[in-house]
Amino acid sequence: SQKIEQNSEALNIQEGKTATLTCNYTNYSPAYLQWYRQDPGRGPVFLLLIRENEKEKRKERLKVTFDTTLKQSLFHITASQPADSATYLCALEDSGNTPLVFGKGTRLSVIA
Amino acid sequence: DTEVTQTPKHLVMGMTNKKSLKCEQHMGHRAMYWYKQKAKKPPELMFVYSYEKLSINESVPSRFSPECPNSSLLNLHLHALQPEDSALYLCASSLQRATGGFTEAFFGQGTRLTVV
Repeated sequence: SQKIEQNSEALNIQEGKTATLTCNYTNYSPAYLQWYRQDPGRGPVFLLLIRENEKEKRKERLKVTFDTTLKQSLFHITASQPADSATYLCALEDSGNTPLVFGKGTRLSVIA
Repeated sequence: DTEVTQTPKHLVMGMTNKKSLKCEQHMGHRAMYWYKQKAKKPPELMFVYSYEKLSINESVPSRFSPECPNSSLLNLHLHALQPEDSALYLCASSLQRATGGFTEAFFGQGTRLTVV
């Protein structure tokens, strides 16, 4: 069966450290993988997109890697701040013009 | 304008009521979506409209009825809902790639629906 797994339901880190979130998938062949941030009671906000032929993508303090052999994406937030506390969702587009499918998310808490 | 606007923000309705959720975007996106999200769960796709035509219906019960009056508007008509339908209903929009598939999605703030 198809699965998207974000291994940690919750992650607590100290302010200033790097947060690393993991997204693994099974029985998908995604052409693109995306990361979103969601705050409580709000809609998800797009952060980064990475293509299957890209190894790494960066945007300010954010970095995403994509390993199609391992079927895994890693999402890093460097120099984390309490304002980074939110749920981070991994989402992928499977081949064949399908819309986004989301993982369950990881709730990140950055402690001052 | 990079916003997707949803109204109302909150809705409480009885099981015999009929109500509608509304969604609007002016980004020129021709793909629009309804997602349902329960607490501590990921968004689940309900419907996709592509160029104002329903292209995906994820086996959603008929008490949910989508409508796309034009390229900027998306409605979700609700009738005879059950308490388990209480959730955050999210509208989203995106571009469609020339090579197929959809680009990143822009989400509205959602409508918090409570069925009593």
